[in-house]
Amino acid sequence: QVQLVQSGAEVKKPGASVKVSCKGFGYSFTTYGIHWVRQAPGQGLEWVGWMSGHNGNTNYGQKVQGRATMSIDTMASTAYMELRRLISDDTAVYYCARGDPLDTWGQGTQVIVSS
Amino acid sequence: DIQMTQSPSSLSASVGDRVTITCRASEGIRNDLGWFQQKPGKAPKRLIYAASSLQSGVPSRFRGSGSGTEFTLTISSLQPEDFATYYCLQHNSYPLTFGGGTKVEIK
Repeated sequence: QVQLVQSGAEVKKPGASVKVSCKGFGYSFTTYGIHWVRQAPGQGLEWVGWMSGHNGNTNYGQKVQGRATMSIDTMASTAYMELRRLISDDTAVYYCARGDPLDTWGQGTQVIVSS
Repeated sequence: DIQMTQSPSSLSASVGDRVTITCRASEGIRNDLGWFQQKPGKAPKRLIYAASSLQSGVPSRFRGSGSGTEFTLTISSLQPEDFATYYCLQHNSYPLTFGGGTKVEIK
């Protein structure tokens, strides 16, 4: 059974960094990329970025460009998204999703940015 | 960036009703579109891919159609478990973009 399991909730201060993980089960991790999507409280879905599981290529959304770094540990079947210089607008639930596109989603990771 | 305009933003319907949700792309995206259902506190779930292909395990009352710039999600007979928020997503070009969502509520 294909499954993505994400790391737990984080509370960070403005200006800090956060790193969220997403571990894949039940499929070849290098065959698919991983998308990251976030959802601010009471708002819709916003695509954050994508990383290829095959060659490491990335593509980032404008709001996180320059602040986000996506990476993959193929041996551990785990993808990571690090977001730096956090601001209050980064408060959201962050989801990873398999790049099929987005046929399977993780359970979400709450990130709260608050002083 | 490709803009996805989804309508309506909300609707009220009864069990058994036929429901139609529309997404319009700001430029042609072939059939590179998916539809997702999200229930409160849960991750989105893909219902339709490639504009009209039904995801495995999704009931056949869900139907997607369209190509180019106009797309439709139809629920033929609304069931109690279908009350949720629905989103379209274009994956024709980066950045991927979602529609604003349609909240389907009980009348």
